Amino acid sequence: DAKTTQPNSMESNEEEPVHLPCNHSTISGTDYIHWYRQLPSQGPEYVIHGLTSNVNNRMASLAIAEDRKSSTLILHRATLRDAAVYYCIRNTNAGKSTFGDGTTLTVKP
Amino acid sequence: DAGVTQSPTHLIKTRGQHVTLRCSPISGHKSVSWYQQVLGQGPQFIFQYYEKEERGRGNFPDRFSARQFPNYSSELNVNALLLGDSALYLCASSLDGQNYNEQFFGPGTRLTVL
Repeated sequence: DAKTTQPNSMESNEEEPVHLPCNHSTISGTDYIHWYRQLPSQGPEYVIHGLTSNVNNRMASLAIAEDRKSSTLILHRATLRDAAVYYCIRNTNAGKSTFGDGTTLTVKP
Repeated sequence: DAGVTQSPTHLIKTRGQHVTLRCSPISGHKSVSWYQQVLGQGPQFIFQYYEKEERGRGNFPDRFSARQFPNYSSELNVNALLLGDSALYLCASSLDGQNYNEQFFGPGTRLTVL
């Protein structure tokens, strides 16, 4: 299964919105798109997931392209605590989860 | 409620040895997945188990095996260790392993192979 593709790193200023892109061009119709983030020396933490429609929760928003080959995680107001590695993941209905190499987000005060 | 727990926290082995890593899922979760995370890379999927049956397998050699017990805890076994097996091994649990389920990750076991 092809990995998802993400930029290696991004920077943001505190209190500004951040848009983290992900390409998953080989996604199949039943694969869900999940986003997780990971702090140093910790396991990944769930952020949000979706299938076709855009999704919102208390942490973030997920915008999914109409052809589902890409998605964007949106943090509406970045805080210093949002600095982490963000992973975009394909979850298949055959029990497989495919991570990319992640985007390291730096938040500047 | 306790989160996902893994043991041991750290482990040092030599090439050719065997290792067993353990994972206890969140109470009520029936699915466990295992991942290998090499430094600087994203986690790589190894196995998913649900109700003691293997549901998914990643691209890992047969030296890697796992099982899930009636209480839903799980073990990951690696035989004939290689230097390249040095990594953080993560366990994640979910309610029933469906692809829309949120996964809850443990802190990982850091394996060093000398």
